[in-house]
Amino acid sequence: AQTVTQSQPEMSVQEAETVTLSCTYDTSESDYYLFWYKQPPSRQMILVIRQEAYKQQNATENRFSVNFQKAAKSFSLKISDSQLGDAAMYFCAYRRGGGTSYGKLTFGQGTILTVHP
Amino acid sequence: NAGVTQTPKFRVLKTGQSMTLLCAQDMNHEYMYWYRQDPGMGLRLIHYSVGEGTTAKGEVPDGYNVSRLKKQNFLLGLESAAPSQTSVYFCASSSGASGRYEQYFGPGTRLTVT
Repeated sequence: AQTVTQSQPEMSVQEAETVTLSCTYDTSESDYYLFWYKQPPSRQMILVIRQEAYKQQNATENRFSVNFQKAAKSFSLKISDSQLGDAAMYFCAYRRGGGTSYGKLTFGQGTILTVHP
Repeated sequence: NAGVTQTPKFRVLKTGQSMTLLCAQDMNHEYMYWYRQDPGMGLRLIHYSVGEGTTAKGEVPDGYNVSRLKKQNFLLGLESAAPSQTSVYFCASSSGASGRYEQYFGPGTRLTVT
């Protein structure tokens, strides 16, 4: 079974600074996808960024980027120029590729990010 | 589009009571999911459905039942609630198209069992 581990229960960053959230995963599959979701106090789950395992290039979305190390099974999220609105719980998630995965996600435990003004 | 909606948003039950959580999506998605979120454990899959009339067990199915009688609705039932089922429940849906399977989440239901 696949597992996703976020070893940082809490992180903090100063506004305008950069922070990196860590995620490791364990799988024997070669075809898979990795995601970072943001959950603000409203509880709404918001997709931040997605990485396909077959792509060597790291995904980026504006101030959010990932460092995908396939051999090390590591998938960290870097938030640049942190803003107060970035404060939230962040979840790393894994999905096996292929039709028989039915899109099921396996989530990490989450990291609470605090942004200090 | 409302996206994914969940009813109710909050509920308090006594041990042994039953209830049904309703999830509705207006995106014509084939796949729907129920997750529960507990502190320190992330979200865990309870049950899922790959189409109208189908359901399948996820990681933590015990104590829950589901039904998908209509494509747009996915119901989660607790027949005899237990304090261990105190949690936040999320419904999600995805199209399954193009292998992307991006999931869209509802706002969650906070359930407390006393």
